[in-house]
Amino acid sequence: DIQMTQSPSILSASVGDRVTITCRASQNIYSWLAWYQQRPGKAPKALIYEASSLESGIPSRFSGSASGTEFTLTISSLQPDDFATYYCQQYNTYPYTFGQGTKLEI
Amino acid sequence: QLQLLESGPGLVKPSETLSLTCSVSGDSLRGVIYYWGWIRQPPGKGLEWIGSIYSTGSSHYNPSLRSRVTISVDMSKKQFSLRVRSLTAADTAVYYCASRSETTKGFDYWGQGTLVTVSS
Repeated sequence: DIQMTQSPSILSASVGDRVTITCRASQNIYSWLAWYQQRPGKAPKALIYEASSLESGIPSRFSGSASGTEFTLTISSLQPDDFATYYCQQYNTYPYTFGQGTKLEI
Repeated sequence: QLQLLESGPGLVKPSETLSLTCSVSGDSLRGVIYYWGWIRQPPGKGLEWIGSIYSTGSSHYNPSLRSRVTISVDMSKKQFSLRVRSLTAADTAVYYCASRSETTKGFDYWGQGTLVTVSS
């Protein structure tokens, strides 16, 4: 299985901050990576696909990038609604695998 | 825009079989090959992909669950289903159904999730 390692596990930040979450794949997954946001008690919400493409309706303060097997999710200016848990997922190879999550807290 | 809704029992006994159904609405579901998936999340933990199926019936499973899981699809009813056999407490989780609208994407449509507790 391809291991997806996210860092950090917990990230403390304030409204207006710029934050970056990193996800590293154990093997080459090309650009087949998605990012999700999950608020407590809710289903995950897709933010980014193909490493850097923004899903429809997602604010432009969210962006994704890739360098080899390292992927980053950046939120340029945190809003109150952004405090949630974020997951990466590779969909290059079965079984699809998720990172362990990054909790973004105030 | 697709809407997905999971249904099934909230409580199942150990060693029994769990059956969940995902009902799909909001699209004609004709003329397009759809891709559906099941993902679960134990309480307080991360996400685990269980398996996926195309609307044609072709399926893929997580090897960690393959021996106990079956995913099926019935496009005439606009539903796809999950069966998990030989349940244990470790199968207690919120189960999500999800869909991918384009081959380049991850899962961009999700159901609200349903909590399944395995307990006697």
